[in-house]
Amino acid sequence: DADVTQTPRNRITKTGKRIMLECSQTKGHDRMYWYRQDPGLGLRLIYYSFDVKDINKGEISDGYSVSRQAQAKFSLSLESAIPNQTALYFCATSDLAGGGGEQFFGPGTRLTVL
Amino acid sequence: ELKVEQNPLFLSMQEGKNYTIYCNYSTTSDRLYWYRQDPGKSLESLFVLLSNGAVKQEGRLMASLDTKARLSTLHITAAVHDLSATYFCAVMTGTASKLTFGTGTRLQVTL
Repeated sequence: DADVTQTPRNRITKTGKRIMLECSQTKGHDRMYWYRQDPGLGLRLIYYSFDVKDINKGEISDGYSVSRQAQAKFSLSLESAIPNQTALYFCATSDLAGGGGEQFFGPGTRLTVL
Repeated sequence: ELKVEQNPLFLSMQEGKNYTIYCNYSTTSDRLYWYRQDPGKSLESLFVLLSNGAVKQEGRLMASLDTKARLSTLHITAAVHDLSATYFCAVMTGTASKLTFGTGTRLQVTL
């Protein structure tokens, strides 16, 4: 079984709709991250969380919100989707206590906003 | 603001050849990571470099880190088609374990 899972894997929606992307992990890591990937721009950090009570904005948090429901679950919401949020979204986890802070990525969610 | 630059952005090379991908970054850090991404897939961790002078090797790939020059290299030896992918370096700064990624190098190995 995959250590980091994301649902859905693909989603097509319309402008103005609310969308939630979910991430679950079985690695036991305390830190979780949401990134988006756009062609030619690499990955950019949206939000990150150290534990269920600690949520932090990344470099491109506008238009997004997150919820850390449990140590193993971290959800990303687009309250009112717009076309320029069309991208590939990745969840990642890390455990700074071991592995040198290496981040492990989920399979990604391809989101298209029409 | 940390900037991470990779070059080249695109690399087409023949099987059997050697080449190096460069990753420069703009601020002090002693933690650098290399990832591989196949088209439409997730990122796979290749190397974790945690100190100045660190060198890691796996198969035909070797990564190194020079923190004084703020430079990491990913060297490819005797390339094979299976190495075709996009390679990202990522630099960690601060205590939040935040990674800043380069824009990636798309490697195409031709037969």
